[in-house]
Amino acid sequence: KAGVTQTPRYLIKTRGQQVTLSCSPISGHRSVSWYQQTPGQGLQFLFEYFSETQRNKGNFPGRFSGRQFSNSRSEMNVSTLELGDSALYLCASKRTANTDTQYFGPGTRLTVL
Amino acid sequence: AQTVTQSQPEMSVQEAETVTLSCTYDTSESDYYLFWYKQPPSRQMILVIRQEAYKQQNATENRFSVNFQKAAKSFSLKISDSQLGDAAMYFCAYSAVDSSYKLIFGSGTRLLVRP
Repeated sequence: KAGVTQTPRYLIKTRGQQVTLSCSPISGHRSVSWYQQTPGQGLQFLFEYFSETQRNKGNFPGRFSGRQFSNSRSEMNVSTLELGDSALYLCASKRTANTDTQYFGPGTRLTVL
Repeated sequence: AQTVTQSQPEMSVQEAETVTLSCTYDTSESDYYLFWYKQPPSRQMILVIRQEAYKQQNATENRFSVNFQKAAKSFSLKISDSQLGDAAMYFCAYSAVDSSYKLIFGSGTRLLVRP
């Protein structure tokens, strides 16, 4: 069974631009979560989607948003990029909303110049 | 709020030896899960082992085992017969039903394996 896939793997943007990251979960998994990893703040939860609905949201500004499609694929959007948004963005999937174990994708490395 | 603490920024072990990584957590919940994830240089986060808080028996996965002390809120990872491929960042993580199972991570421990 294929794992979680994320595209693109690397991205370079400039301040003020917006970016969209994509995540395809493991087949049969309907819950997708996003995490941000930075050297300073470590790994932080962004949000979770299940059945196209946001179930949970971390403490991030409204510039960070996401959505989930009927095939469980998810996108994350960051508008008005700031230098501090440079990070590894990890997507994780699990079978249902009430499943405890999450499986991660390889991440998207975003660099904001 | 729940927190996870890994007090060892870096550990080193000789190949074939045993090493233990420490993790403590703070929670008022009774129903939760604990995990160890491995992040090699490729940055792919790999699940190493999982522990359900209501199970007293310590989880084991091949060379990896945990020492789960619920009262002490301690969850250490023991790696036996260390291999060069074990070199990576190791993250301890917590999730609970009340927070929809979102993962709360520790700051990580970098494990170096000496040949």
